[in-house]
Amino acid sequence: ETGVTQSPTHLIKTRGQQVTLRCSSQSGHNTVSWYQQALGQGPQFIFQYYREEENGRGNFPPRFSGLQFPNYSSELNVNALELDDSALYLCASSSPSTETQYFGPGTRLLVL
Amino acid sequence: KNEVEQSPQNLTAQEGEFITINCSYSVGISALHWLQQHPGGGIVSLFMLSSGKKKHGRLIATINIQEKHSSLHITASHPRDSAVYICAGANYGGSQGNLIFGKGTKLSVKP
Repeated sequence: ETGVTQSPTHLIKTRGQQVTLRCSSQSGHNTVSWYQQALGQGPQFIFQYYREEENGRGNFPPRFSGLQFPNYSSELNVNALELDDSALYLCASSSPSTETQYFGPGTRLLVL
Repeated sequence: KNEVEQSPQNLTAQEGEFITINCSYSVGISALHWLQQHPGGGIVSLFMLSSGKKKHGRLIATINIQEKHSSLHITASHPRDSAVYICAGANYGGSQGNLIFGKGTKLSVKP
């Protein structure tokens, strides 16, 4: 059983650019949640995908968007990057039978 | 509004000490997760509780549903326990729900 993986591990972008972060779910998990963790803060919920549909969204603007694919892997897209988007982005996968979320190692994004 | 509050924010202990981290949560949260985050970001799920008490090795987690309070205890602490410990509330009344995180407790165990 493979764990949750994320790519890339680190990324540097400039203000105004667009970024795509990727997450591969743990085998058998059909739900992916994305979180943003600013330095020194707890993670904040961005959105969740369940069977390729958005299934809940936190307080993030529309320039944060996502996709989930038939194999349940997922992407987080952020357009028009701002300096405050610099953070660790975590994805977590789960399934109805587990309720526990399994976290990936995160992608650290720096916006200059 | 769902909220999760943790205390203390920072904790320094000597090796061997008994450690307690507290978490209070608001109405609407039906389960509590305790997570461990090491430097570099990786998060490991320690426990999920909706009632009672769970134990894994030197870690014990308790939850009091009436008081909306949970504690994470570490017995015989060790420097390798140094990490950020986060409690996160979940509402599984709907679908999978999402996690609402506390700000974390940074634990440093000195040899």
